[in-house]
Amino acid sequence: NAGVTQTPKFQVLKTGQSMTLQCAQDMNHNSMYWYRQDPGMGLRLIYYSASEGTTDKGEVPNGYNVSRLNKREFSLRLESAAPSQTSVYFCASSEVGEQFFGPGTRLTVL
Amino acid sequence: GENVEQHPSTLSVQEGDSAVIKCTYSDSASNYFPWYKQELGKRPQLIIDIRSNVGEKKDQRIAVTLNKTAKHFSLHITETQPEDSAVYFCAARGLTGNQFYFGTGTSLTVIP
Repeated sequence: NAGVTQTPKFQVLKTGQSMTLQCAQDMNHNSMYWYRQDPGMGLRLIYYSASEGTTDKGEVPNGYNVSRLNKREFSLRLESAAPSQTSVYFCASSEVGEQFFGPGTRLTVL
Repeated sequence: GENVEQHPSTLSVQEGDSAVIKCTYSDSASNYFPWYKQELGKRPQLIIDIRSNVGEKKDQRIAVTLNKTAKHFSLHITETQPEDSAVYFCAARGLTGNQFYFGTGTSLTVIP
């Protein structure tokens, strides 16, 4: 039982490049989330998916897209990376209570 | 949407003393309030949570209190130890159950 896994762990991009962050959970949870964490700003919700086939915008969705590929997987895509997207990205999943977080992806955009 | 405020942003205590972190929320429909601990370079992990039908919950040295009328909840850590040093986040979940709103975090340092 791996819980929530994320790939990659680290990534450096140049401005304008694109990439996809991958997330998977093996707890059979319906809800999945993508957050970004910046110093002094806590965790801010980018997108979430309440169930397979549905996605909704969170607090800071601009510049991102998501795909709920199936119940297990929820990916986050940056189409044209900007320096303002330098951050640590966490994926999470939940069912009726506790959110479980992945180990995070540290992204730097130069 | 919900707005969660957390204070203080930094807190230093001597080992063995108590630490208290406070959060307020704006949406009276919020019904679930978790607290997370995040060590440097690690993921947030749940340490305690409370639902809106309960006023207080305790787990060994950690307790959480909830005042629904005033819309605030607090984390209490007693007999602090150096390994309690970390960033602590409060959060609130709304009635729909789909979105969690986080406070900005409290960096706790326990001085041996």
